[in-house]
Parts: sequence; structure tokens; C-alpha cells
Amino acid sequence: NAGVTQTPKFQVLKTGQSMTLQCAQDMNHEYMSWYRQDPGMGLRLIHYSVGAGITDQGEVPNGYNVSRSTTEDFPLRLLSAAPSQTSVYFCASSYFRVRGDTEAFFGQGTRLTVV
Amino acid sequence: GQQVMQIPQYQHVQEGEDFTTYCNSSTTLSNIQWYKQRPGGHPVFLIQLVKSGEVKKQKRLTFQFGEAKKNSSLHITATQTTDVGTYFCAGSRAAGNKLTFGGGTRVLVKP
Repeated sequence: NAGVTQTPKFQVLKTGQSMTLQCAQDMNHEYMSWYRQDPGMGLRLIHYSVGAGITDQGEVPNGYNVSRSTTEDFPLRLLSAAPSQTSVYFCASSYFRVRGDTEAFFGQGTRLTVV
Repeated sequence: GQQVMQIPQYQHVQEGEDFTTYCNSSTTLSNIQWYKQRPGGHPVFLIQLVKSGEVKKQKRLTFQFGEAKKNSSLHITATQTTDVGTYFCAGSRAAGNKLTFGGGTRVLVKP
């Protein structure tokens, strides 16, 4: 199994450009999420989804859109890139459970620079 | 909103020594998870704690969940160079998956 696959690994954007970060998982996980990681600030939740067709905002959703048309894919769209969105982006997936381990599996990350 | 704080932010440890990192939540948690991120890598799940006062061990790592389910700790004994990385705690307020991460403790090991 590939686990969680993110593309691209690196990206440089100009201010105002838009782009989509791809995330795919092959573990049939219901729950998927996007985080951004900035130095010294841990991981902050951008958007998440508990299943196909269902998405919700996390802690820092402004400037980002998501959709979940299939269980496997959860793309993150930057609408109009700003330098403040320079960060490392991680996609994660897990089973959605009321009880039991809800271990999150992370992708390798996308390092985005906005100039 | 919910906040999760970790201390210390940095931990310089002599190889062979022990250390502890602490995690505190502003709200009562349903469960807490710990992750390790190697430099340049992605977070990797270590463990999940669910019960009040729970203690779990993984070789040289000991994880505790506080009685009030608002704090947790990770204790590493006989630190090795392979322990280098950033350790994150992540708390969930409700059953399910929405996690709030702490800022992490970055561990540097001096040989």
C-alpha cells in the first residue's frame, strides 16, 4: 500500500496565483485532513472531511478550499496565493471511530513558497 | 477555542540521560495522541491514550495521561541519537478524529 500520497513535494508560486495540492490515500479511511506547519507553531488544521461529500473548516481555513468527491482524494485549493501561505502542508487520513485507535497517517508533505 | 501547549519547546539532552516533555490542554480531552517527526520528515504516530491516569510504555518511552484528562507527558529514558526529532502531542475533545496539536518539543541529542 502507498498510504497517503501528496503531490507536488515542492512548489513555488507567485503572489495571486492559484493551485491545487493533491492528496490521495489507499487505506479506505473515512477521515481526511489538511494541516499547515510553520516553524515553532506545530500543525494547524485547515480543513477536514469525515467522508465523501462532507467537509468542514478547521482552525485556519481562510484562503483555502477543499472538496471530497471520493473517499480516496482530498485536494486543497489555494485561491489566490499570498506570502503568508508559505508553509509546509501535510495531508493526513485515519479511520473515523467513536472508540479505538484513530491513528493519523501523514503524507510526505508539500513545501510551498509564495513569492 | 481549544489550546494545547507543550513544554519545553527545545530540549538538549546528553546521550544516555533521561528527559520529559509535557503537554497541557485548556479543555478536557477525550483522548491524546503523540507523534514524532524526524527532521525533514512527516509526523509518525507513536501512541494514543484514552483513559484517565493511563500509562503506556514503548521500550524506553513512557506516556502518561493525567487524571483530569487535561495533561499528558512523554518520558524518554537513556536517550539515544535515534531519539532526535520533534515530539508532538495532539488532543481530541470529542470521540472521533479532530486533533489539536501542541507546538512540539524539539529534541537534540549530544553524543
